[in-house]
Amino acid sequence: DGGITQSPKYLFRKEGQNVTLSCEQNLNHDAMYWYRQDPGQGLRLIYYSQIVNDFQKGDIAEGYSVSREKKESFPLTVTSAQKNPTAFYLCASSMTGSQPQHFGDGTRLSIL
Amino acid sequence: DAKTTQPPSMDCAEGRAANLPCNHSTISGNEYVYWYRQIHSQGPQYIIHGLKNNETNEMASLIITEDRKSSTLILPHATLRDTAVYYCIVRASLRYGNKLVFGAGTILRVKS
Repeated sequence: DGGITQSPKYLFRKEGQNVTLSCEQNLNHDAMYWYRQDPGQGLRLIYYSQIVNDFQKGDIAEGYSVSREKKESFPLTVTSAQKNPTAFYLCASSMTGSQPQHFGDGTRLSIL
Repeated sequence: DAKTTQPPSMDCAEGRAANLPCNHSTISGNEYVYWYRQIHSQGPQYIIHGLKNNETNEMASLIITEDRKSSTLILPHATLRDTAVYYCIVRASLRYGNKLVFGAGTILRVKS
């Protein structure tokens, strides 16, 4: 089954800790994205990557870091510098041109 | 990307067609219209997209007016599982880094 897998579904972080959210896709998509969604709000772009070993900051990159060592994987690290990390995190991927982005089922991060 | 305007909410009887409107009067010639929906606590689900011709797939139909300033998403036989927030997004293609801008969307409630 082709798709985007995000794990874990729920994640809890202590103050001062870094946590890493996993995103894997087997759709052979070149581009991958990370969005953040707060309750009752739209999605905001954190980082995106067009090809392996390359990524760009989105609108709210501060306090986050990513890597793209493999085409199918785009993990997101929420660092201790992110002061308000509690949110729903969504990973997406797409091919070129007009093809749509497809999303995973998200990871809900909470602070203990 | 052009701005879109959608009604905040709509109701539809189960089994009837749901017609969700979207205004995008400032759309440019190279911008596509995309529709996504989001069910609570899940990632957005791609539904359909189009440039200027009407489109149909297994989920829905997309009707775009001749002047491209508005469109309608049609769910031909709505079920209770179609209750969700529906987002109309206008975006130019050909650029990976073009983020999806989700507005407030339309809350569709399908009632039995």
